[in-house]
Amino acid sequence: NAGVTQTPKFRILKIGQSMTLQCTQDMNHNYMYWYRQDPGMGLKLIYYSVGAGITDKGEVPNGYNVSRSTTEDFPLRLELAAPSQTSVYFCASSYSASASGANVLTFGAGSRLTVL
Amino acid sequence: QKEVEQDPGPLSVPEGAIVSLNCTYSNSAFQYFMWYRQYSRKGPELLMYTYSSGNKEDGRFTAQVDKSSKYISLFIRDSQPSDSATYLCASSYGANSKLTFGKGITLSVRP
Repeated sequence: NAGVTQTPKFRILKIGQSMTLQCTQDMNHNYMYWYRQDPGMGLKLIYYSVGAGITDKGEVPNGYNVSRSTTEDFPLRLELAAPSQTSVYFCASSYSASASGANVLTFGAGSRLTVL
Repeated sequence: QKEVEQDPGPLSVPEGAIVSLNCTYSNSAFQYFMWYRQYSRKGPELLMYTYSSGNKEDGRFTAQVDKSSKYISLFIRDSQPSDSATYLCASSYGANSKLTFGKGITLSVRP
């Protein structure tokens, strides 16, 4: 049981390049999320999805796009990378009907992106 | 005002100390309160959560919520070097709603 898997772990991009951060989960969770974490700034929600085919913007969606064609996968696309997108990106998933009632997120290990 | 504010860090304590980590929140509709622990270069993992007011204990960790003052606390007894990590508080309205995170505080426990 791998949980939430993110690739790549590290990436350096040049300004204006594009790339996709991959995220897959094997827990059959219906909710999935992308966060970015900057030093001293906590976690900021970029996009989230409540199920296959459904996505919605979070707090900081500009410069990013997502898709959710399957329950397992939730890739994050960066178009025209900018230095402001230098950050650590975390994918997470959760199960909407957990017995506890709490929205417990399982996070991936993160993808560290530098834009130069 | 940010919805969840967390005491700034970093915090350094000697091994065996009692640690108190605190957050405040502004939205009285929040019902779930969580603490995530994040080791260096890893993803956050849930440490514990509470629903509404009250205390919850798990080993050396106690989470406390005071809804009247909108205060969230995490207490660590007999702190260990393995407790050195960043601790993030988070709150949400309901069972399936998005979490609002604090900025996190980095704790270092000195041997």
